Amino acid sequence: SAVISQKPSRDICQRGTSLTIQCQVDSQVTMMFWYRQQPGQSLTLIATANQGSEATYESGFVIDKFPISRPNLTFSTLTVSNMSPEDSSIYLCSVEYPTEGNTGELFFGEGSRLTVL
Amino acid sequence: GENVEQHPSTLSVQEGDSAVIKCTYSDSASNYFPWYKQELGKGPQLIIDIRSNVGEKKDQRIAVTLNKTAKHFSLHITETQPEDSAVYFCAASHFNTDKLIFGTGTRLQVFP
Repeated sequence: SAVISQKPSRDICQRGTSLTIQCQVDSQVTMMFWYRQQPGQSLTLIATANQGSEATYESGFVIDKFPISRPNLTFSTLTVSNMSPEDSSIYLCSVEYPTEGNTGELFFGEGSRLTVL
Repeated sequence: GENVEQHPSTLSVQEGDSAVIKCTYSDSASNYFPWYKQELGKGPQLIIDIRSNVGEKKDQRIAVTLNKTAKHFSLHITETQPEDSAVYFCAASHFNTDKLIFGTGTRLQVFP
């Protein structure tokens, strides 16, 4: 299995500021994803973080608001820019990792809970 | 695009009883259907998954069934225990974990 570490685990931010979330994986993975989970809601894919190229964003998410870096196969960052209270959510890093008898399993980090005041 | 609906939103059962959570999907091209368990303050964890070439899969107290014709799949937990209490999410995708679309979640409470 893959072990995923996210930092920070939680933060309280002021409106208009930006925050960068880090995701570190204990092994090299090709596919890394960023999800958002709004309070009491389901998970929504923000983007796929591609190593060596720009991230691929889902409908409703743009690079200016959620810039993503993927400098190598074990690390990625997601920045939430110019935050507003509507950005208060849990942001989850996930990776696809091959497991025995399975072509791939999605592992999640513990999440970063952001509260924007 | 794919849309996944999940019912019920909350489910309370007595310890030892069975629990069933149901999901429907809209895209007939979807072929991978995982179930995740999310405990409070933690990230979701895969508990079981099924691919479109099988109709049922079982792992100890947990089973998943898939009806491709009706486009629905269900999670069955037997002999529930208090530690099964969590939020459960179903999901669907066209291929493996690529662009998983999640259901709205079911909060399961198992009372001792």
